Parts: sequence; C-alpha cells; structure tokens
Amino acid sequence: GAVVSQHPSWVICKSGTSVKIECRSLDFQATTMFWYRQFPKQSLMLMATSNEGSKATYEQGVEKDKFLINHASLTLSTLTVTSAHPEDSSFYICSPSKTSGSTDTQYFGPGTRLTVL
Amino acid sequence: QKEVEQDPGPLSVPEGAIVSLNCTYSNSAFQYFMWYRQYSRKGPELLMYTYSSGNKEDGRFTAQVDKSSKYISLFIRDSQPSDSATYLCAMSEQASGTYKYIFGTGTRLKVLA
Repeated sequence: GAVVSQHPSWVICKSGTSVKIECRSLDFQATTMFWYRQFPKQSLMLMATSNEGSKATYEQGVEKDKFLINHASLTLSTLTVTSAHPEDSSFYICSPSKTSGSTDTQYFGPGTRLTVL
Repeated sequence: QKEVEQDPGPLSVPEGAIVSLNCTYSNSAFQYFMWYRQYSRKGPELLMYTYSSGNKEDGRFTAQVDKSSKYISLFIRDSQPSDSATYLCAMSEQASGTYKYIFGTGTRLKVLA
C-alpha cells in the first residue's frame, strides 16, 4: 500500500499567525516530497519539491520565506505557513513519492484545509 | 495552450454506463501517465498508471495511452454512484526521479442512481 497522513485535516487561524502542517508516509519511505495547493474547483498547483535532508525547491511565484518546508526524515515532512493572510486560505496537499522497482509514483495525503480569518 | 487539456465537465451518466474520460497533451516527451480520483475535500487517490503507449486494465478501469495522438483515456465500466468524483490525469517525462507531474484540470463525473 501507500498510506499518507496529514495533520491537521483542517485549521482556522487568525491573520498574522503561523500554521504548521505535518505529512507522514506511514508504510513507505519517501526520498522526495511534493507540496501542492488547490483552490476550489481548480487543479493542483505545485508549490515546492523537497528531498530528504536538502533544501526545498520552490516553484516560481511561491515565497520560500512564507512557506517553510522541512523534510527531516524519509517519513515526515512539514509545511509551515508563516504570517498567514486570508489569501493563503486554501487546500494544502502533500505528496510523497514512493519508489517501486524503477518507477517513482506520487501518492497524496488527505489534505489540510486552511482558513485564515 | 496548456500542456495538458482536460474537459472540466461535469459529465453526468446513468448508473451502469461506460464512462470515457480523456486528456490531450502537447509535450511529446511525456512518458508516464497517471489517473487520480479526487472526492470532494479529499486528497487525490491514485487509480492507475501506465508507462508509454498501450492499455492497462484493473477491475472496472482501463487506461489507454496513444502517444502518436498525444491522447490518454480512462474508461470506467459499470459505473456506480460511488464513482462520482473529479478525475485528474497527470503525466511526467520520466517514471523515476524527481520529475514534476503536470496535471489536467480534472473532469467532474456524476453517476446518477
């Protein structure tokens, strides 16, 4: 299998606060972690890619100082939204990559719904 | 032109119908093709993946890749109301390594009981 958990599943916070989202691959090790954001009725937007023990690579337009990604182990990655604002309200989904033979396939967490008041 | 085009739907079909979902793409370097199912307010769930051209079957689902036409399809046989979800196609240039997936916008499917 490929079981991925995310915590919390939803969070409401005040503007200016920071929120940390945890992503765990429960039955496999993930060298690579992808973080996505999804707005209502839109597709997934890749925010950043991280390899275990290395700094994340951010997509164009994504502020690395605002969205802090830590990938300290092969089963855990965190995304911290710093000084959150209402426009950061979105559905955040992690995607660890599982290696099977010669292929690496992305599996997704259940997502975290962030609402910034 | 987007790299991956997918009709957003919604596509409504009666229970038991055969559903055909499609994506077209422009990048001939794509080699690895995936289909994900996403229920409302949930993360995407991997349904099938195929490497290069051909067909792949898994239960009620069949994935087809036609690289000459840059066209991929997902067929769902004997569709059920529980199949109602958004279906996302995704593709990448390689099946291994840190390669980005390019996603379609997703097709919303409604299977009517």
